[in-house]
Amino acid sequence: GAGVSQSPRYKVAKRGQDVALRCDPISGHVSLFWYQQALGQGPEFLTYFQNEAQLDKSGLPSDRFFAERPEGSVSTLKIQRTQQEDSAVYLCASSLTGGGYTDTQYFGPGTRLTVL
Amino acid sequence: AQTVTQSQPEMSVQEAETVTLSCTYDTSENNYYLFWYKQPPSRQMILVIRQEAYKQQNATENRFSVNFQKAAKSFSLKISDSQLGDTAMYFCAFKEYGNQFYFGTGTSLTVIP
Repeated sequence: GAGVSQSPRYKVAKRGQDVALRCDPISGHVSLFWYQQALGQGPEFLTYFQNEAQLDKSGLPSDRFFAERPEGSVSTLKIQRTQQEDSAVYLCASSLTGGGYTDTQYFGPGTRLTVL
Repeated sequence: AQTVTQSQPEMSVQEAETVTLSCTYDTSENNYYLFWYKQPPSRQMILVIRQEAYKQQNATENRFSVNFQKAAKSFSLKISDSQLGDTAMYFCAFKEYGNQFYFGTGTSLTVIP
């Protein structure tokens, strides 16, 4: 597609529910990133994929967070047993190559998750 | 750890005037990239401009330019001839070799007609 897309755009979950957030990167982009953006804050890194390999998951806040990209294109961020502190906008970004200085990240519109 | 600081939570500027958004960062690396991203109310982050740390010349993109002071670890964004469509959150971001971006907390810019 023309850009990074994410679905759903908005998600309301009851505390304790599991949620799955989807990211469709730009076609042909090797790298995919997930960020969490709390209200009034800048995005914070969660995890990074190069093709299907998850090379960095140091930003995932707990073992309730899990991300996958099984075929090296679409990615899903899953949050189990959601808590109120998980409420945030989850941003996905993709970039053409596998890193390096020149790699610009292109962001999707985000999924706003609200946990009641 | 790398940190990015944006000390101006909110700014406003009259249409057609010039505004400068400030950003400082902290790193022990010598080679890295700096970025300014714009996030309109629709929330899609858009790259505004980027600067390679090894280049002394300041980057420019039409009405947007940066003042990169490597020794001071400062990276400010100047917007000339401000337009109503420039109203947005602006995030300064830092990236060294590798893949993780570090973002500041953002500056909310309002262009006043």
